[in-house]
Parts: sequence; C-alpha cells; structure tokens
Amino acid sequence: DTEVTQTPKHLVMGMTNKKSLKCEQHMGHRAMYWYKQKAKKPPELMFVYSYEKLSINESVPSRFSPECPNSSLLNLHLHALQPEDSALYLCASSQWEGIADTQYFGPGTRLTVL
Amino acid sequence: ILNVEQSPQSLHVQEGDSTNFTCSFPSSNFYALHWYRWETAKSPEALFVMTLNGDEKKKGRISATLNTKEGYSYLYIKGSQPEDSATYLCAFYNQGGKLIFGQGTELSVKP
Repeated sequence: DTEVTQTPKHLVMGMTNKKSLKCEQHMGHRAMYWYKQKAKKPPELMFVYSYEKLSINESVPSRFSPECPNSSLLNLHLHALQPEDSALYLCASSQWEGIADTQYFGPGTRLTVL
Repeated sequence: ILNVEQSPQSLHVQEGDSTNFTCSFPSSNFYALHWYRWETAKSPEALFVMTLNGDEKKKGRISATLNTKEGYSYLYIKGSQPEDSATYLCAFYNQGGKLIFGQGTELSVKP
C-alpha cells in the first residue's frame, strides 16, 4: 500500500476561521512533508517532520501550524489565513528524510480563503 | 543555473509518437534528481530517483538519463499513449535538504 490520504479534498474558509488539514500514511514512513502549490507554479516545501519532530520549517507564517501526533498522521492547522493562502496543499511521506528516498504524495486539499 | 528549469512547458503529440523533455538543474553540489508524473486530480506519482552521473533508469516505455556534470536530465517516452497525458515534474534535491521542483512539462497525447 503506497497510499497517502488527505482530508478534506476541498475546503473553503473565511479569514477568521480555524480549520485543519489531515494527512495519513500507513507505509511505516518516518518522514512527512507539507507542500503548497499555487496555480501554474511548482510545489513548494513548507514543513518536514522526521521521526515526529519538526525538521524543516521554510519560514512559513505562524498562521500555518503543523503537528505530527504520531508517525502515521500529519496535520496542518490553519488560523487567520489570507486570500493569498488559497492553494493546493500537498502532503507527502518517505521512508526516511534522505536524498534518494522516494516521496509519496497524497492528492492534495484544495483550499480557498474568502 | 540557480533553479530547476524544464522544457518545453507543454507538448502535444499524436499517439505512437516518441517524445522527450529536459530538466536542467545546478551542476554544482548535486545530490539527487527526482522525476514525477502528475495526472490532473490525482496524486503526483514517483517515476525515478537518480543519484549517479550517467544513470539511466527505465519503467515500461518511460526512461530517463542523468548528466550531473552539465546539469541536465532527459525523460523519454517511447510510443506515447493517451494515458501518458500528464504533467511531468523533475525535482532537484538541494544542499538544504529539500526538493526544488521545476515548472513541469505538460504532455498531451491525442489518439
């Protein structure tokens, strides 16, 4: 099973809302990632977790708050977002946080901020 | 080259045509190059991870080559089929430990 699942598929939220994105994998992977993709642009890394600890934060604004409660689950908590945060949010996982480790992606959550 | 660049941006071919596209990346401090295929409304699918200069990898009708000294990788598709229609992304693993994606090549194969 090489599946990474993400919920919800679509999310519309106002600027004052608090919402969360969820990502799950059951491949025993120890590294998990959040990427953001704006229309017609390549995916950009936001966060990396390795062994449930935050390994990389790409200077992401604090209105995005990641959480890794266990090795299978990765959340992204959203609060006070701006319309420019509307994008596709992709989650990925890999066996380790290594250069030659294949990253397996979920289908993404399409977020619209009104 | 400071970023990852892919060409062409889009490609329209007929079923049965063979095609290839290019990924250019910084040639210094090479670590790894990843290729992905991304169909609309689906998850990006990993094709290859390439780490050694001169690497050639093959998966069915798709193959890739790597030249780390000059900073490019080619992806080839032999006998394109409509189901090959997708965006093909390459990603360069940089010194900071993250994948830097190119803009992608959008391939459309007409029956």
